Amino acid sequence: QQQVKQSPQSLIVQKGGISIINCAYENTAFDYFPWYQQFPGKGPALLIAIRPDVSEKKEGRFTISFNKSAKQFSLHIMDSQPGDSATYFCAARGEDNAGNMLTFGGGTRLMVKP
Amino acid sequence: EPEVTQTPSHQVTQMGQEVILRCVPISNHLYFYWYRQILGQKVEFLVSFYNNEISEKSEIFDDQFSVERPDGSNFTLKIRSTKLEDSAMYFCASRKDRGLNYGYTFGSGTRLTVV
Repeated sequence: QQQVKQSPQSLIVQKGGISIINCAYENTAFDYFPWYQQFPGKGPALLIAIRPDVSEKKEGRFTISFNKSAKQFSLHIMDSQPGDSATYFCAARGEDNAGNMLTFGGGTRLMVKP
Repeated sequence: EPEVTQTPSHQVTQMGQEVILRCVPISNHLYFYWYRQILGQKVEFLVSFYNNEISEKSEIFDDQFSVERPDGSNFTLKIRSTKLEDSAMYFCASRKDRGLNYGYTFGSGTRLTVV
């Protein structure tokens, strides 16, 4: 119930292309869905986040699409750049747990080829 | 921009030894977390801490683990008797408050290697 499933595990995209990473969840109490970017040797850094009352959120080249009925959300990176090469994690959090902690997906290693 | 600071960045320890991982959360944050990431795997929740007590812990956080906020600024994770499978990156995170407007800030992590 607490799992967040992420796909694909790895992704190779040409520079300028669109990177798409998908996540699915089961717990309907989740109410906050962030995406984190992680470079090697660093901690996860918040990229963009969405609440379930909106279907899309865009910040620069990054867009989250959210489908509440399907319990799925995805990250789109437009005009992907080599500097976007990193591991991306989706996550979810619900107010139903006392600790208010994040549950992470398994991660997607993105490589953007020049 | 305020940061969560973790020390040391890398620690090597003998199996069975005690280790203490240290974190300095952002000063006005009230919620504190430890997560771990085994190499190449996903980030896993260990424990959350609020108002000087544990608010939730995962199955990973067994009796070998403990957390403490000894002086109002530091937040520590202690592993009493390390095992080989404790080798991982340990991330501290903090959050100003509950509610959807408050995000989580992660530190850069401590790489723990148990030999």
